[in-house]
Amino acid sequence: GAVVSQHPSWVICKSGTSVKIECRSLDFQATTMFWYRQFPKQSLMLMATSNEGSKATYEQGVEKDKFLINHASLTLSTLTVTSAHPEDSSFYICSANPKDEQYFGPGTRLTVT
Amino acid sequence: GENVEQHPSTLSVQEGDSAVIKCTYSDSASNYFPWYKQELGKRPQLIIDIRSNVGEKKDQRIAVTLNKTAKHFSLHITETQPEDSAVYFCAARPNQAGTALIFGKGTTLSVSS
Repeated sequence: GAVVSQHPSWVICKSGTSVKIECRSLDFQATTMFWYRQFPKQSLMLMATSNEGSKATYEQGVEKDKFLINHASLTLSTLTVTSAHPEDSSFYICSANPKDEQYFGPGTRLTVT
Repeated sequence: GENVEQHPSTLSVQEGDSAVIKCTYSDSASNYFPWYKQELGKRPQLIIDIRSNVGEKKDQRIAVTLNKTAKHFSLHITETQPEDSAVYFCAARPNQAGTALIFGKGTTLSVSS
C-alpha cells in the first residue's frame, strides 16, 4: 500500500512558540492531503484539507491563522502551529488517498508546556 | 456536511464471543465506508472497507454490512480474541475527489480471556 510519513513523531515546545509538522507521501503524488487532530480518548477530527498549489480549506472552528498549512509540492504538506498553547497539545495525523483507501501518517504527538 | 454516529462507545465481550459495532451516516452521497482499528498512540489501521454498490463484505473473522436505504453500516467480529482489544472507528466519505473521511466517535472494545 501507499506510504505516508510524518516528522517529527513527537515534539515538546514552550507556550508561545511555533511548531512545524511535515507530512510526505513517499511513493505517490498527492494533490490533496488531510490534517486531523486527535485528543486523548477522542476521535479523529478533520482540521483542514491541504491542496497543492492553492489555499487550504479549513473546517469550521479551526483558526486558519493559527494552523498554517502549506502544500508546496505533490509530496509534501506542512502544518505549522503558531503561538502554541497547552490546549493545542494533541496528536496530529496527516493522510492522503491516492485511490479510495486513505493512508495515514504515523502521527505527531505535540506537547506544549 | 457528513455526520457519522457510532455506537456503542464501549463494548466488553468474552473471548470467543462476537462483537458488533454500528454506525449511521447522514450524507446520501457517501459511497465509501471503511473501518479502522487504532491502538494507543498509533495511526489508525484499515481493517475492512465497503463501497455503496456492495451490501456485505467478509474477511476471515471480520465482516461489514451496509444498508444504504437506512444509511447505516455495521462491523461484525466473530470469535473475538484478546488481541482484538482496541479502539475501532467507522468512517464515511462522499464520492468527490479530494474529500476527507469523516469519522465516528469510536468504540473501545475489550476482549477478556
